Amino acid sequence: ETGVTQSPTHLIKTRGQQVTLRCSSQSGHNTVSWYQQALGQGPQFIFQYYREEENGRGNFPPRFSGLQFPNYSSELNVNALELDDSALYLCASSSYRAPAYEQYFGPGTRLTVT
Amino acid sequence: GENVEQHPSTLSVQEGDSAVIKCTYSDSASNYFPWYKQELGKRPQLIIDIRSNVGEKKDQRIAVTLNKTAKHFSLHITETQPEDSAVYFCAASEARYNFNKFYFGSGTKLNVKP
Repeated sequence: ETGVTQSPTHLIKTRGQQVTLRCSSQSGHNTVSWYQQALGQGPQFIFQYYREEENGRGNFPPRFSGLQFPNYSSELNVNALELDDSALYLCASSSYRAPAYEQYFGPGTRLTVT
Repeated sequence: GENVEQHPSTLSVQEGDSAVIKCTYSDSASNYFPWYKQELGKRPQLIIDIRSNVGEKKDQRIAVTLNKTAKHFSLHITETQPEDSAVYFCAASEARYNFNKFYFGSGTKLNVKP
């Protein structure tokens, strides 16, 4: 069984730029959630994708957007980067073939905005 | 929305002692409560979870208890070892068929002294 993977590991961007983060879900999982984890805090839900559609969103502005592909991998796009966007971005995959409970996290992408 | 509070923020115990971390939640619709362990620079790892139809669950040295009436749940680690040192996060969610949004606590940094 293949675990959740994310790329890149680290990223440094300048305020105002755009960034794309990528996530490959665990083998057999068809749902991907994205979370933002600021330093010293718990992860905050950004949105979730199921069957290539966003089916739930947290309190994040529209400049945070995403995609899910037919192979269930996913992208998180952030436009017009702000300094406060500096954080660890985690994706988590889960399966709705079984009861929809467990989520398994990837290693994260550390984004620094200067 | 859901609000999860976690205490204490830091916990220091001697190797072999027990550690208890407590969380409260606000939304009575929440039905799934996972606990994650996050070591420095690593992904959150699911260590145990409990569903709302169960009051207690145990896995070797780790146990979780849930009091739905009081809306609180706790993580218990017995016979602590230095490798238990990490940040622990609780979470609550209203898991549905195709959607599961986690609300995380702010984390507890556990230090097990040898």
